[in-house]
Amino acid sequence: SQQGEEDPQALSIQEGENATMNCSYKTSINNLQWYRQNSGRGLVHLILIRSNEREKHSGRLRVTLDTSKKSSSLLITASRAADTASYFCATDVRGTGRRALTFGSGTRLQVQP
Amino acid sequence: ETGVTQTPRHLVMGMTNKKSLKCEQHLGHNAMYWYKQSAKKPLELMFVYSLEERVENNSVPSRFSPECPNSSHLFLHLHTLQPEDSALYLCASSRSDIGTGELFFGEGSRLTVL
Repeated sequence: SQQGEEDPQALSIQEGENATMNCSYKTSINNLQWYRQNSGRGLVHLILIRSNEREKHSGRLRVTLDTSKKSSSLLITASRAADTASYFCATDVRGTGRRALTFGSGTRLQVQP
Repeated sequence: ETGVTQTPRHLVMGMTNKKSLKCEQHLGHNAMYWYKQSAKKPLELMFVYSLEERVENNSVPSRFSPECPNSSHLFLHLHTLQPEDSALYLCASSRSDIGTGELFFGEGSRLTVL
């Protein structure tokens, strides 16, 4: 089973509303990152939160991390049509010898104008 | 523009063809990665290179052959592929493969195997 799993798989909201996406993971992490992908394009890094941090902000983005529940959430406030994309969480997993990030399946966000 | 350039953006090949995907990064990073993205599946890590040395091969079939001639260039050589290998192949780089920080991705190469 995969390390990071996003929930919901798809989300459709109206412009101006807030969008919340969740990510759960299974093992201890060094950090957790969120990425965005426009259809058929590469991934773009949004924000990184370290395992000793609980909340981080970047513009309209707010990320929380609960290591006791092994979960993270990404909140996009005052969404815009341009926010339509897929959003992925990625975990940097300690102690496994892995030397790259492990990605979830993503949440497809549709923001209706 | 992320500083990571992939070519070609689109590739159609038959199962008996041999082709290569190219990735170039202009960021001075020491680590480069190949990921495979198939429909409705998580990104799958294929290979990791650190300072031109392959440090991880994630059980990838031998019909995929990576090459890293220097820290700025990464290739994925393809031969006798199967239709199920059709996917978006993403190259990424980072400052280091240890304690991975942010990954910088290219736009991907969309591969279709007929």
